Amino acid sequence: SQKIEQNSEALNIQEGKTATLTCNYTNYSPAYLQWYRQDPGRGPVFLLLIRENEKEKRKERLKVTFDTTLKQSLFHITASQPADSATYLCALGGVDSSYKLIFGSGTRLLVRP
Amino acid sequence: GAVVSQHPSRVICKSGTSVKIECRSLDFQATTMFWYRQFPKQSLMLMATSNEGSKATYEQGVEKDKFLINHASLTLSTLTVTSAHPEDSSFYICSARGGGNSNSPLHFGNGTRLTVT
Repeated sequence: SQKIEQNSEALNIQEGKTATLTCNYTNYSPAYLQWYRQDPGRGPVFLLLIRENEKEKRKERLKVTFDTTLKQSLFHITASQPADSATYLCALGGVDSSYKLIFGSGTRLLVRP
Repeated sequence: GAVVSQHPSRVICKSGTSVKIECRSLDFQATTMFWYRQFPKQSLMLMATSNEGSKATYEQGVEKDKFLINHASLTLSTLTVTSAHPEDSSFYICSARGGGNSNSPLHFGNGTRLTVT
């Protein structure tokens, strides 16, 4: 069956360290993958898009990798700050002919000062 | 940037009543909007795709007669939860694509917390 897996346990790290979040999927062939940030009681906010033919994308302190062989994306936040604490969602797109995005359940990141 | 406004942010209603949630794209036109539902610590579940000027496309298992969607203009989609029951209590979020490409990011409203008593 089709599945998107993100670590359901919170990731707890010290300020200044690099946070690495994982998104694994099975039985999907996405054309692209997006990462979103969601704060409690709010809608998700778009962060980064990476296409199937791209290995890596960067934006300021954020880096995303996409390995279609491993069916995995890694999301890195370098020099993490307490303000980075939130839930991060990965979303697969282009899995069929529609414009739909399929979301993972997210990983909560806690950055300790 | 593209802004999606959703109202109300919170609503409490009695079992059996109907609730309407509005989703507006403020500075862009959205021919397609998406309605999601989210339970605590769970994924966003796509309920339906709202198409301007035509019928919504519902995901499997979503009752179209219970969750009425109307997309009457390029900037407004509404979701009406009819005859609400406590199990309909959830966080409902709408979204729209800011660009014309299929991989354009989604812009989300801030959600509506529905509590049915």
